[in-house]
Amino acid sequence: EAGVAQSPRYKIIEKRQSVAFWCNPISGHATLYWYQQILGQGPKLLIQFQNNGVVDDSQLPKDRFSAERLKGVDSTLKIQPAKLEDSAVYLCASSLGQVGKTEAFFGQGTRLTVV
Amino acid sequence: AQSVTQLDSQVPVFEEAPVELRCNYSSSVSVYLFWYVQYPNQGLQLLLKYLSGSTLVKGINGFEAEFNKSQTSFHLRKPSVHISDTAEYFCAVTFSGGYQKVTFGIGTKLQVIP
Repeated sequence: EAGVAQSPRYKIIEKRQSVAFWCNPISGHATLYWYQQILGQGPKLLIQFQNNGVVDDSQLPKDRFSAERLKGVDSTLKIQPAKLEDSAVYLCASSLGQVGKTEAFFGQGTRLTVV
Repeated sequence: AQSVTQLDSQVPVFEEAPVELRCNYSSSVSVYLFWYVQYPNQGLQLLLKYLSGSTLVKGINGFEAEFNKSQTSFHLRKPSVHISDTAEYFCAVTFSGGYQKVTFGIGTKLQVIP
């Protein structure tokens, strides 16, 4: 079974520029998550989708971050404009059901460096 | 407040020695517990999970963890580590009731020394 696909793997941008990340979850997985992992910290949930609806975006900085999940499959996460503190690895994950009990499968992540 | 704590940021251990990585949580409700491993430049992979039942849980790669409700702990153990176990290990907790969001600890870097 194919895993969670993310692109790009690496991105370097200047502050105030825009960037977008793409995620293709495992086929059939209804739940999709975007996590931000800053160096030295654990992953922090940014947004959770159930199919194409948002379940939790309480920790998403909505003034600069946005995410969408078209047709309940692929998802994009956008940052506009980027700040230095946005430098992190952005992980996408998916699961069959609600993550409380079911395993989440993670992609390899996108490492963003803002200079 | 509900939280998860990994007490050790780095754990060096010699090859073939036993290891324990500690995880404690704080919660007033029931919890589901997970350990994930992250190899360099890779995503997280589930090692094991505790949902209910037996408090001793066995996972992949010879790891096991024990849920201790009175100590609010879920420590990860392996009796004999291998070089390939060098990675970062994350404890994760879901607090039951209402919307179930996973909270990750800050991670423990396990360095296996040959």
